[in-house]
Amino acid sequence: DTGVSQNPRHKITKRGQNVTFRCDPISEHNRLYWYRQTLGQGPEFLTYFQNEAQLEKSRLLSDRFSAERPKGSFSTLEIQRTEQGDSAMYLCASSLVSGLAGGFRFEQYFGPGTRLTVT
Amino acid sequence: AQSVSQHNHHVILSEAASLELGCNYSYGGTVNLFWYVQYPGQHLQLLLKYFSGDPLVKGIKGFEAEFIKSKFSFNLRKPSVQWSDTAEYFCAVNLGGTSYGKLTFGQGTILTVHP
Repeated sequence: DTGVSQNPRHKITKRGQNVTFRCDPISEHNRLYWYRQTLGQGPEFLTYFQNEAQLEKSRLLSDRFSAERPKGSFSTLEIQRTEQGDSAMYLCASSLVSGLAGGFRFEQYFGPGTRLTVT
Repeated sequence: AQSVSQHNHHVILSEAASLELGCNYSYGGTVNLFWYVQYPGQHLQLLLKYFSGDPLVKGIKGFEAEFIKSKFSFNLRKPSVQWSDTAEYFCAVNLGGTSYGKLTFGQGTILTVHP
């Protein structure tokens, strides 16, 4: 399967613990996004990377959240000192942005998500 | 800031009925528009997209959407739904003409099709 993969698919943790999620984008894709989705809502943007550079972080991403994409391939999202309000589905998406010649017409391909439950 | 509004939270139809799901966005500049679908137990999949040109775009599985710039709308349609169309549908928008790419989603519409 050459789609976006995410691990783990489910994570149950106790309040105050740290958790880390991994996203493997489609192999040639240079752009990687993280979103968060809560019940009854659409996904909300958290952050994105162009290759290994993190170019924007949403105000939703408190200082307890950190994301990395060290070699421009896979990415990790870490949540420190989890709170019950962090319970959500964390989605990763990737795309190939090929510059002006591509007219910036690109679409995002989503992974299956990691469902986090904080008890 | 951009926002996207989907008018119906839950739509219930019988097979062969026609479907129209509303989507309005608030942004005065150039936008790219998308509809994503999430079937039960599956991940988000792109249904169709609009970047420019013909405002009537066709997607997979017989879906189409019409971009009406004056109404800031991008409604999704299908002439005859099937039971297999039961899913949650999300409208999304990002800034056109830039490499930014961040998507702003609506809250989603759950479609239930009865056989």
